[in-house]
Amino acid sequence: ETGVTQSPTHLIKTRGQQVTLRCSSQSGHNTVSWYQQALGQGPQFIFQYYREEENGRGNFPPRFSGLQFPNYSSELNVNALELDDSALYLCASSLDGPGNTIYFGEGSWLTVV
Amino acid sequence: EDQVTQSPEALRLQEGESSSLNCSYTVSGLRGLFWYRQDPGKGPEFLFTLYSAGEEKEKERLKATLTKKESFLHITAPKPEDSATYLCAFRGIYGGSQGNLIFGKGTKLSVKP
Repeated sequence: ETGVTQSPTHLIKTRGQQVTLRCSSQSGHNTVSWYQQALGQGPQFIFQYYREEENGRGNFPPRFSGLQFPNYSSELNVNALELDDSALYLCASSLDGPGNTIYFGEGSWLTVV
Repeated sequence: EDQVTQSPEALRLQEGESSSLNCSYTVSGLRGLFWYRQDPGKGPEFLFTLYSAGEEKEKERLKATLTKKESFLHITAPKPEDSATYLCAFRGIYGGSQGNLIFGKGTKLSVKP
């Protein structure tokens, strides 16, 4: 148990719709990052938040956006869903600093039909 | 371009048959090499972090080692419960993001009784 919780665990959306995924980070962790994992692939970095500001972003379009709240919880929003957005979305938390371990939640399974 | 390659893609072992998984990487500057275990439908579970060539870490039947270009995950006398996908990742110094992990595709390990 990492202490990183995500919701919902599974959801199905229609192409063109919007989705919001939520994450509560491990107690005391001030950095939250989001990853997308397609079937058979390793997780791909979407973006990272530190103290409510985005401080890093991977190769994902602007329709992927996020928020971090004062209690360090976070949201991932995806607009104009495409079929290829179907994946496991992982939230991870850590303490700031390059040497600290990143702990993952169990993920949210998104299916776009 | 920073990248990490894992081999083999899949590995089948008999219970008690020791083996090694390989993770080779090219990165401008290394701030940690990470190993995670991932069970089907679950988030990655942290195993080890290695920071410098020559470093080794152990946990039960697993031992991780690091050279300047590769990391190995040695599995001694595996049991069926060790069956999972093992992911390797590094956090590089350079790039557009701070602290993001760059993952390989993983090695799917199956241990038969």
